[in-house]
Amino acid sequence: AIQLTQSPSSLSASVGDRVTITCRTSQYISNALAWYQQKPGRAPNLLIYDASSLESGVPSRFSGSGSGTDFTLTISSLQPEDFATYYCQQRNSYPITFGQGTRLEIE
Amino acid sequence: EVQLVESGGRLVQPGGSLRLSCAASGFTFSNYWMSWVRQAPGKGLEWVASMYQDGSEKYSVDSVKGRFTISRDNAKNSLYLQMNSLRAEDTAVYYCARLRGAVTTFDLWGRGTLVTVSS
Repeated sequence: AIQLTQSPSSLSASVGDRVTITCRTSQYISNALAWYQQKPGRAPNLLIYDASSLESGVPSRFSGSGSGTDFTLTISSLQPEDFATYYCQQRNSYPITFGQGTRLEIE
Repeated sequence: EVQLVESGGRLVQPGGSLRLSCAASGFTFSNYWMSWVRQAPGKGLEWVASMYQDGSEKYSVDSVKGRFTISRDNAKNSLYLQMNSLRAEDTAVYYCARLRGAVTTFDLWGRGTLVTVSS
């Protein structure tokens, strides 16, 4: 199975900050990566697919980049509603796997 | 409204069985791969199983093979997860999720149903 390692595991930031979360895969996956946001008690929500494509309805302050084994999710200017946990997910092959999550907290 | 609604979660003893259901509405259910994804309390997301549109192809994570079975009824717009030989480590919120393709992204999620395995 392809393993995904996110860093950092947790992050404190302030409203207006620029934040970057990274995801490294144990195998080459081209651009077969997605990012999700999950708030407490809620289901995950798709933000980015195919490494850099913004899902419809997601604010443009979210962006994704990377290819191969190294990927990043960037939030250009944090808003209060962005404090949540973020997960990456590879869609290159079964079994589908997720990163362990990055918890983004208010500083 | 496009939505997925899970049901069937409850407290069950180790070794017991449970069947989860997911009712889909607002989209053509038979056109999509469907999946179950779970999340243990305070933990991350774990993909459990996926099934092709007509049920002819399916995949599952190794930890549930031989114990869990994914199935669907396109006439009822419903997805199921039959869980047997349940273990404490199966305790989790189980989400029903729609896939965009065979191995792609989860673009629609239900609210989840809690399964607790404990004596």
